[in-house]
Amino acid sequence: GENVEQHPSTLSVQEGDSAVIKCTYSDSASNYFPWYKQELGKRPQLIIDIRSNVGEKKDQRIAVTLNKTAKHFSLHITETQPEDSAVYFCARTNAGGTSYGKLTFGQGTILTVHP
Amino acid sequence: NAGVTQTPKFQVLKTGQSMTLQCAQDMNHNSMYWYRQDPGMGLRLIYYSASEGTTDKGEVPNGYNVSRLNKREFSLRLESAAPSQTSVYFCASRAGWGTDTQYFGPGTRLTVL
Repeated sequence: GENVEQHPSTLSVQEGDSAVIKCTYSDSASNYFPWYKQELGKRPQLIIDIRSNVGEKKDQRIAVTLNKTAKHFSLHITETQPEDSAVYFCARTNAGGTSYGKLTFGQGTILTVHP
Repeated sequence: NAGVTQTPKFQVLKTGQSMTLQCAQDMNHNSMYWYRQDPGMGLRLIYYSASEGTTDKGEVPNGYNVSRLNKREFSLRLESAAPSQTSVYFCASRAGWGTDTQYFGPGTRLTVL
């Protein structure tokens, strides 16, 4: 199927520490993996994404890694700050063809960064 | 450029009432989507429209209908609301060419009593 499992469901870190969130997927045709950040009461916003032809992508303090063989991808946040506190969602799709960009989301991770 | 807009922001209905959630985008995107968000369950796709003139079911379509009114607008209708439809509803759009990024609207918080 197209399920996505996301762990952990909650994550608490001290400011300056690193945070890692992991997602596993089942559909081997998946080729696009975005990560969204959602602050309380706000809309989900894309923070980084990766395609299946790339193993790692970085953008300042955040990075995403993809292991196609094991069917998992992870979000890494370094030097965490209190403003990183939010809910993070992973997602996947089979971009192109008849998928039309339909995203399947993980269950979300509540990240809390303590000052 | 407002991006994706949704109305209303909040709504309270009684069981059996009907309503339509409105969504519009001004980015000339081809594809539009309706998701619902429930605690602990992430976002689940209700319906989508790959392009103007087409609509199709997503993961949880029961109890809903949609209309792609034109390229800009995609509405979601609840014909007979049930308490199980209490949720936050998000509309999203995607260009459909060159990028797979989906942009979300601000959401509608719906409570069915």
